Amino acid sequence: QSVLTQPPSASGTPGQRVTISCSGSSSNIGSNYVYWYQQLPGTAPKLLIYRNNQRPSGVPDRFSGSKSGTSASLAISGLRSEDEADYYCAAWDDSLSGHWVFGGGTKLTVL
Amino acid sequence: QVQLQESGPGLVKPSQTLSLTCTVSGGSISSGGYYWSWIRQHPGKGLEWIGYIYYSGSTYYNPSLKSRVTISVDTSKNQFSLKLSSVTAADTAVYYCASSPSAEGFDPWGQGTLVTVSS
Repeated sequence: QSVLTQPPSASGTPGQRVTISCSGSSSNIGSNYVYWYQQLPGTAPKLLIYRNNQRPSGVPDRFSGSKSGTSASLAISGLRSEDEADYYCAAWDDSLSGHWVFGGGTKLTVL
Repeated sequence: QVQLQESGPGLVKPSQTLSLTCTVSGGSISSGGYYWSWIRQHPGKGLEWIGYIYYSGSTYYNPSLKSRVTISVDTSKNQFSLKLSSVTAADTAVYYCASSPSAEGFDPWGQGTLVTVSS
């Protein structure tokens, strides 16, 4: 059972906009930044969004992040077939002397 | 651009200690500002943070694994290491090392190494 809650799956057709939610609590998302990672099949995760809504260089602006209270979301616009991957949210949790927690991941299927 | 590469045995017997090393290239592990992490992914499952270390030796561990985990750093070899004791089949996973600039997120990651716990 992951500390952060994500839907196990999401889907969309090419060109569509999809959103993936991530729900936490006051000790993690409610008081710290949210990070998003993309894991393409058979590869290591890659940082997609940092500090709630910042994109590292090289990440297309089709990807955007937002946060409100104890929840966050990742939006992907202009969906492409190469976006089919697993997406994970993460945040620092202040409980138990502090530690990083992840969501269980959302498998995005491009139909 | 920093690159990381995990190395170590792919098979460990139950009750033994899992030992992995992460070699950092393209940057100095002791340059400061970075935390050096271990993260694992059970087969077909999500990600689990194990812990990280600063070049000075300060460590932070996942409370659920803290009693079995030791992360250390060797600045002379530009490497950091993971030891997980008393392993069971539940520790079978792909183990990743990653850098954490200013303890903010994980970027980049190594390619990962599968460790199987089995007799």
